[in-house]
Amino acid sequence: DTGVSQDPRHKITKRGQNVTFRCDPISEHNRLYWYRQTLGQGPEFLTYFQNEAQLEKSRLLSDRFSAERPKGSFSTLEIQRTEQGDSAMYLCASSSPNGGRYGYTFGSGTRLTVV
Amino acid sequence: AQSVTQLDSQVPVFEEAPVELRCNYSSSVSVYLFWYVQYPNQGLQLLLKYLSGSTLVESINGFEAEFNKSQTSFHLRKPSVHISDTAEYFCAVSGQTSGTYKYIFGTGTRLKVLA
Repeated sequence: DTGVSQDPRHKITKRGQNVTFRCDPISEHNRLYWYRQTLGQGPEFLTYFQNEAQLEKSRLLSDRFSAERPKGSFSTLEIQRTEQGDSAMYLCASSSPNGGRYGYTFGSGTRLTVV
Repeated sequence: AQSVTQLDSQVPVFEEAPVELRCNYSSSVSVYLFWYVQYPNQGLQLLLKYLSGSTLVESINGFEAEFNKSQTSFHLRKPSVHISDTAEYFCAVSGQTSGTYKYIFGTGTRLKVLA
């Protein structure tokens, strides 16, 4: 069990470019979550997968954001036409079935800077 | 809907002194409560959780939190802090009836332990 892995750890991109982040959850965890954390704030829920199905999306997830979890394993989060307001830490977390009530395991996050 | 309030954005305390980090929540349904710790440039780590039963919960590194339903609080305490406890602490809630188990986080309290 290597924990939740996120790649890359840091990403600097120019405004208007597309970026994609990857999350590899703990292998036996079927639930996967994406959160966004801006400076001085707590993490905010973006979206949730159970296996390959995306079951809930926050209204924070604009049309420029898309998340996938093909085959119910790793997940990707893509941001199209990045804006400076997208600069944040993007956190991925996973849990087992009903494990969310016991707490998630978070990855170390991907810090996005849009210049 | 749920919300979480962490009134103290920063708490400086001397080493070996006691500390209390405050967390209040509001919810129309019963909740699960969590404290997470975040070290610089890292993801969040679960510190402790309240699900049901005894209102006093403890972590392995000396922290404890008490669920107070009447005051809708879940304050975190430690009788004697160490330099290594310097980090940001987040309180979170999840509705017990939520099949998603998504969390609502507070804005965090930065604990700085002084030598």
